[in-house]
Amino acid sequence: RKEVEQDPGPFNVPEGATVAFNCTYSNSASQSFFWYRQDCRKEPKLLMSVYSSGNEDGRFTAQLNRASQYISLLIRDSKLSDSATYLCVVSPYNQGGKLIFGQGTELSVKP
Amino acid sequence: ETGVTQSPTHLIKTRGQQVTLRCSSQSGHNTVSWYQQALGQGPQFIFQYYREEENGRGNFPPRFSGLQFPNYSSELNVNALELDDSALYLCASSLVQQGMGEAFFGQGTRLTVV
Repeated sequence: RKEVEQDPGPFNVPEGATVAFNCTYSNSASQSFFWYRQDCRKEPKLLMSVYSSGNEDGRFTAQLNRASQYISLLIRDSKLSDSATYLCVVSPYNQGGKLIFGQGTELSVKP
Repeated sequence: ETGVTQSPTHLIKTRGQQVTLRCSSQSGHNTVSWYQQALGQGPQFIFQYYREEENGRGNFPPRFSGLQFPNYSSELNVNALELDDSALYLCASSLVQQGMGEAFFGQGTRLTVV
């Protein structure tokens, strides 16, 4: 079983749609959680950190359920520019900031 | 831009050869991590360097080795290249060792082994 698993995708949605990405992780000692965005043939960039209380940044909402070891990302009112691969990332406790990535879910927003 | 630079951007090597990839970390960052990203997969952690010492290693064989220099720049060396080593190699720098700081990635080196 992979340490971080995501929906396989791809997701093809029209502009303005709401899309949700799901992610589960296997290591209960995981400390920090993130969503990264990666454009085609580019490096990953931090989209947002994920906190136990849930957090929102504009059209993006991230949620964490430690009991279920589940992370989600909701994108409202999708834009063409949201097209990218979204990577769920977990950082285990006391492992020096090592990042464990899911395989990524590709999102394509169409006009 | 993140301030993390990698060189070269692209590289083609023959199976069995050796390769050295380089990374200049963001100013003020003391931790460098290396990741391998195969096509269609998420990045996989290779190892991390903190204050010139290896500080954690992923599931990669010993022919993957690295260095960190006093200015916190870093090298990734891969010996006896195999076809499966073809991937995007990403360097990430951060400030704090214990994972509390954001990691900034370089643009990557795309290695093709033929």
